[in-house]
Amino acid sequence: SAVISQKPSRDICQRGTSLTIQCQVDSQVTMMFWYRQQPGQSLTLIATANQGSEATYESGFVIDKFPISRPNLTFSTLTVSNMSPEDSSIYLCSTATSSGNTIYFGEGSWLTVV
Amino acid sequence: KNQVEQSPQSLIILEGKNCTLQCNYTVSPFSNLRWYKQDTGRGPVSLTIMTFSENTKSNGRYTATLDADTKQSSLHITASQLSDSASYICVVNFGNEKLTFGTGTRLTIIP
Repeated sequence: SAVISQKPSRDICQRGTSLTIQCQVDSQVTMMFWYRQQPGQSLTLIATANQGSEATYESGFVIDKFPISRPNLTFSTLTVSNMSPEDSSIYLCSTATSSGNTIYFGEGSWLTVV
Repeated sequence: KNQVEQSPQSLIILEGKNCTLQCNYTVSPFSNLRWYKQDTGRGPVSLTIMTFSENTKSNGRYTATLDADTKQSSLHITASQLSDSASYICVVNFGNEKLTFGTGTRLTIIP
């Protein structure tokens, strides 16, 4: 199994600032994903973090707002840029085994924008 | 329109009782269907995963069923405990590890 560590676990951020969330996996994984879960809502995929190339964003999410890095097979970051109260969410990092049968989630980063 | 619908939205039951949560999906074809438990403010934790050919899968007091013909799944919780209070999320995998999440059922167990 994979263990995923996310930092920070919680933060309160000022409107207009940016925050970078880190995701560290204890083993090399091919696929890493970033999700957002707004209050009372289901999880929504933001993007697939690709090692060595630009992330693949889902409809409604853009690189300028959510830049993602994936420098190696165990680490990724998601930046939430120019935050507004609407960005208050839990952001989750996720990985999958090569078969896709097992998917792991980090504990999440709970951001509140004031 | 969300392609994975769950019911009920919320449920309150007494400790020790059983309950069943429902999931209907419209995605076809699909790779597998999963049930996750998510405590407030935490990441989802996998309970069960079923492929197209599986009808039932158990994990302790949790039993998931799948009817691929009617595109329905259920999660049955037996002898509920206070620690079962959480959101339960049905997730369908299209393939390519892309997941479609249901809106979840918020379960509250009261003593």
